[in-house]
Amino acid sequence: NAGVMQNPRHLVRRRGQEARLRCSPMKGHSHVYWYRQLPEEGLKFMVYLQKENIIDESGMPKERFSAEFPKEGPSILRIQQVVRGDSAAYFCASSPPGQGNSPLHFGNGTRLTVT
Amino acid sequence: GDSVTQMEGPVTLSEEAFLTINCTYTATGYPSLFWYVQYPGEGLQLLLKATKADDKGSNKGFEATYRKETTSFHLEKGSVQVSDSAVYFCALRFTGGGNKLTFGTGTQLKVEL
Repeated sequence: NAGVMQNPRHLVRRRGQEARLRCSPMKGHSHVYWYRQLPEEGLKFMVYLQKENIIDESGMPKERFSAEFPKEGPSILRIQQVVRGDSAAYFCASSPPGQGNSPLHFGNGTRLTVT
Repeated sequence: GDSVTQMEGPVTLSEEAFLTINCTYTATGYPSLFWYVQYPGEGLQLLLKATKADDKGSNKGFEATYRKETTSFHLEKGSVQVSDSAVYFCALRFTGGGNKLTFGTGTQLKVEL
């Protein structure tokens, strides 16, 4: 049973370009979460999605950031017009439905570098 | 709001020393509590969890007990190894389906020979 798959592992973008980060949850998991980890800091919640729905986006910056989890295919975190401050590791996690005390399973992250 | 506070690192220990990493939380209600470990360049792996007061989570020699009276979930290990060097994150999550994990800032552990 494959774990949470994220790609790419490393992504380099110039300022002003777009970054697309992909996440395929574990089999049977319909809940996806995105977190951002800045250097030497902890993980900050960004957004929580279920299939075709955004449930909680309280941690998402108001501009340039968007996320989706379509009926088919992976979840996508999209950052438009990237700036140097967007450089960070972005982690996706998934969980099965209806088990609020279950742990989240994390992918290995995408490390975004903006030059 | 809900929050998790961990002791600041780095914590540097000699191999076979006793480890304690303190974690306290602030929450309305009774969350589930977790410890995650992150090795360099990797994602987070669940280390252990406890879902109610007085539960003890344990795994790979690590233990933590859910203390409601002190709102704490301290991580302990009797004898650390060099391979335990990593960053450890304490986190909470509420039951009720689908709520996010709230993390502490992480504590870096360095174990030396």
